[in-house]
Amino acid sequence: DAGVIQSPRHEVTEMGQEVTLRCKPISGHNSLFWYRQTMMRGLELLIYFNNNVPIDDSGMPEDRFSAKMPNASFSTLKIQPSEPRDSAVYFCASNLRLAGVNEQFFGPGTRLTVL
Amino acid sequence: AQSVTQLGSHVSVSEGALVLLRCNYSSSVPPYLFWYVQYPNQGLQLLLKYTSAATLVKGINGFEAEFKKSETSFHLTKPSAHMSDAAEYFCALIGQGGSEKLVFGKGTKLTVNP
Repeated sequence: DAGVIQSPRHEVTEMGQEVTLRCKPISGHNSLFWYRQTMMRGLELLIYFNNNVPIDDSGMPEDRFSAKMPNASFSTLKIQPSEPRDSAVYFCASNLRLAGVNEQFFGPGTRLTVL
Repeated sequence: AQSVTQLGSHVSVSEGALVLLRCNYSSSVPPYLFWYVQYPNQGLQLLLKYTSAATLVKGINGFEAEFKKSETSFHLTKPSAHMSDAAEYFCALIGQGGSEKLVFGKGTKLTVNP
């Protein structure tokens, strides 16, 4: 199994540009999570989906952020327009439920730098 | 409400010394507890998990953690630190009952000195 796949691994963009981060979860996992990690705030949950439906988006910072999951094997996180304070590492994780316990598997992350 | 507190944002040990990373939790329902490790420029990897089957849990790379309900703690230990253990460690919980949202602590960065 290839694990959770994220692309791109690194993204450098200028303020005001649109940024799209992509995630392919592990096949068979039915929940997907987007996190943001910064030195100041640590690891924050932005949004999560179950069976492709957004369940909790209370962590999405503002309307500039949007996330979609059109099918079980693909999700995007979009920032439009981007701002320097959006610079962070964004992680995607997918969830497997085994013996009643949920376990999350993380991707390698996308390091976003907004100039 | 649920929360996880990791005492000490930075811990430094000598190679071969005991590693002890502290985690305390607060949860209104019985929790499942996890320790994740993050190596530089990588994602989080599961070290071990407590699922109420046994209070002493063994994980990968020689790490173990003990669930102590009376102390609401889930401290991570390793008898002898190795240089390759240098990383950031996160304690996290999920409430039992089907919840999928992990609540993370702020992390502890472990430095191993030669």
